[in-house]
Amino acid sequence: LAKTTQPISMDSYEGQEVNITCSHNNIATNDYITWYQQFPSQGPRFIIQGYKTKVTNEVASLFIPADRKSSTLSLPRVSLSDTAVYYCLVGPLGPSGTYKYIFGTGTRLKVLA
Amino acid sequence: EAGVTQFPSHSVIEKGQTVTLRCDPISGHDNLYWYRRVMGKEIKFLLHFVKESKQDESGMPNNRFLAERTGGTYSTLKVQPAELEDSGVYFCASSQNTVEQYFGPGTRLTVT
Repeated sequence: LAKTTQPISMDSYEGQEVNITCSHNNIATNDYITWYQQFPSQGPRFIIQGYKTKVTNEVASLFIPADRKSSTLSLPRVSLSDTAVYYCLVGPLGPSGTYKYIFGTGTRLKVLA
Repeated sequence: EAGVTQFPSHSVIEKGQTVTLRCDPISGHDNLYWYRRVMGKEIKFLLHFVKESKQDESGMPNNRFLAERTGGTYSTLKVQPAELEDSGVYFCASSQNTVEQYFGPGTRLTVT
């Protein structure tokens, strides 16, 4: 399974756009890219998933270049409540959309007032 | 709709004892996953159920761990006998034919 590399931590200010980049140089053809968010004392929470180009939902955008060796999670106008750990996960979909997640160290985002 | 629930939230046991963790998935979710984070390490996949069948148990660390999902509803993860290195947070997640897995809050296991 593809190994991912993310910055260990990032700081941002309220109202700014935050971009977290994940490197996955040995991503396979059938791998998908998924991002999760985790608050202290809670389980991870799904943010977004994509395969190529750009995906956008109500909370984030995911940018994936043509070579798919990296991806960028974009959080528009962050607030203090976005302070959390963000995980980039890469792997193939199993049958019926199942997914065996491999978590890395994640990026600890701290949003400052 | 209720989310994934896990019980207990925290368990403290002595080395050599037995502990059983329980996970109640979201109603109707056929897929149930167990993960764990041991201290200072990353979250690791343990196993995956589809209904009552074990689809993938490649992440189970050894035969001291036994997971069951009788009737395809809730699941239990038993550790017997517990060792110090089993301390950590055990997460359960469920999904229904989607890539989005819904995680529970986790059970913090402390083995002394």
